[in-house]
Amino acid sequence: DAGVIQSPRHEVTEMGQEVTLRCKPISGHNSLFWYRQTMMRGLELLIYFNNNVPIDDSGMPEDRFSAKMPNASFSTLKIQPSEPRDSAVYFCASSLDRVAQYFGPGTRLTVL
Amino acid sequence: GESVGLHLPTLSVQEGDNSIINCAYSNSASDYFIWYKQESGKGPQFIIDIRSNMDKRQGQRVTVLLNKTVKHLSLQIAATQPGDSAVYFCAGAVSGTYKYIFGTGTRLKVLA
Repeated sequence: DAGVIQSPRHEVTEMGQEVTLRCKPISGHNSLFWYRQTMMRGLELLIYFNNNVPIDDSGMPEDRFSAKMPNASFSTLKIQPSEPRDSAVYFCASSLDRVAQYFGPGTRLTVL
Repeated sequence: GESVGLHLPTLSVQEGDNSIINCAYSNSASDYFIWYKQESGKGPQFIIDIRSNMDKRQGQRVTVLLNKTVKHLSLQIAATQPGDSAVYFCAGAVSGTYKYIFGTGTRLKVLA
């Protein structure tokens, strides 16, 4: 069984550029989560989707961040424009009925 | 609280010995708990979970103990191996909700 798939694994971009992170959840899971992990703040929940519908986006830092889930097998997290303080590892996780969350390998984002 | 990488407590264990990693939680309403293992450069990996109607659950080489009275959780790893070196952290949630509260991670170092 394939786990959560994320792409790209690494992204280096310059301040002001648009960044799009992608996630394919585990097949059959109905909940999807985007997290950000930094050394200083640990894991932070950014947004939660249930059955492709955004339920809670209170963790999204600001309007520069947006997330979509057009179907059950794909989600994107977009940052536009990106800033150096957005540098972090971004994880996507999925679960079935909000029980155990399974994390992807993450995307390490560096904004110069 | 959230795990904070810069200030992670470290547990050093001799290869072959047993490891015990502890976690305290504050939300009395939490009734579902998970232990994650995060290796360098990877996403958190599900190890074992436990519901509050149990006080012990065993997996392969791992045992989770739950003490609801003092709101304490522990992860025991038997016969610790070099591959067990990682950051371990617990997460708690209220069943049916999606917000995990992540505990402070512990870095496990296995000494050869």
